Amino acid sequence: SQKIEQNSEALNIQEGKTATLTCNYTNYSPAYLQWYRQDPGRGPVFLLLIRENEKEKRKERLKVTFDTTLKQSLFHITASQPADSATYLCALDEGQAGTALIFGKGTTLSVSS
Amino acid sequence: GAVVSQHPSWVICKSGTSVKIECRSLDFQATTMFWYRQFPKQSLMLMATSNEGSKATYEQGVEKDKFLINHASLTLSTLTVTSAHPEDSSFYICSARDGRTSGGEQFFGPGTRLTVL
Repeated sequence: SQKIEQNSEALNIQEGKTATLTCNYTNYSPAYLQWYRQDPGRGPVFLLLIRENEKEKRKERLKVTFDTTLKQSLFHITASQPADSATYLCALDEGQAGTALIFGKGTTLSVSS
Repeated sequence: GAVVSQHPSWVICKSGTSVKIECRSLDFQATTMFWYRQFPKQSLMLMATSNEGSKATYEQGVEKDKFLINHASLTLSTLTVTSAHPEDSSFYICSARDGRTSGGEQFFGPGTRLTVL
């Protein structure tokens, strides 16, 4: 069966450390993988997109890797801050125009000062 | 990125009444819009996909007669929850995407909190 799993429901880290979130998938062939941030009571906000032929993408303190052999994406936030506390969702895009992204359940990150 | 608005942001209604939620793309021609619902601490659950000017495609298990979707223009989609019951209480989120290409992000609205008494 098809599955998309994010490693843990919750991750607690200290301010200044690097947060690493994992997204694994089974029986999908995503052409793209995206990461979103969702704050309580709000809609998700797009962060980064990585293509299947890209290994790594960076944006400011964010880094995403994509390993199609392992069927895994890692999402890193370096020098984390309390303001980074939120739920982070990974989403698969199989590359068909007009279709919805497939979301994982999310990992709730808490950064303490 | 593009801006998607939803109205209302929250609504409380009595059981048996119908509720309409509007989703507008403010600076973007949304050929495709999606409606999701989300329960507390759960993932986004896709309810339906709508393309402008055509009937919505509903996901398995979603009652199309209960959740009426209309996508009459490139900037407006509406979701009507008919004869709402307490189990319909949830967070409803719409999103828009350029349906003509693949690989683009989805732009989400801020969500609507529905509480059915």
